[in-house]
Amino acid sequence: QKEVEQNSGPLSVPEGAIASLNCTYSDRVSQSFFWYRQYSGKSPELIMSIYSNGDKEDGRFTAQLNKASQYVSLLIRDSQPSDSATYLCAFFQDRGSNYKLTFGKGTLLTVNP
Amino acid sequence: DTGVSQDPRHKITKRGQNVTFRCDPISEHNRLYWYRQTLGQGPEFLTYFQNEAQLEKSRLLSDRFSAERPKGSFSTLEIQRTEQGDSAMYLCASSFAEVYEQYFGPGTRLTVT
Repeated sequence: QKEVEQNSGPLSVPEGAIASLNCTYSDRVSQSFFWYRQYSGKSPELIMSIYSNGDKEDGRFTAQLNKASQYVSLLIRDSQPSDSATYLCAFFQDRGSNYKLTFGKGTLLTVNP
Repeated sequence: DTGVSQDPRHKITKRGQNVTFRCDPISEHNRLYWYRQTLGQGPEFLTYFQNEAQLEKSRLLSDRFSAERPKGSFSTLEIQRTEQGDSAMYLCASSFAEVYEQYFGPGTRLTVT
């Protein structure tokens, strides 16, 4: 079983719509979760971190975490063409892991004007 | 506050040559990570430093790879006798010890011909 699975892309949404990106993980002791945005040819950029069950909002972004279901998602409201990128889900495996990140393969999001 | 910097940004080398990459973390970040990313995949952990101590190395890091962080500041990653399979983006990230968020540099894209 893969450690991190992200919903297969590419995901295409019209400008102004809500984009929903999903991620499941296999390690029940995982504590910390992150969403990174990566433009083509560029490095990952941290956009959200979430540590507790529930929702965390930051501007147009909302991260949702459900540890019981081993599920984390990212919602992007009022999607803009500039949001077109690959979104990477990442987590720490456990507190003894030296906090190294385990990443999914990413979901490519395209926002159409 | 300047972000993480990496040098060079691009490196083309012939198979069998040695290459060295440099990473300068965000000032006062005492944790430094190296990751490798190939096309269509998320970054994969290579190694981790806390201050000058290298605390963990991935099994991905063969004997041809070595990393250092003298004086706990910048870090270097050397690949000896490069192989075509080493072609990838090499990413450096840094963080504070008390904070989980990792911030990535622009990466060094290595092409082995």
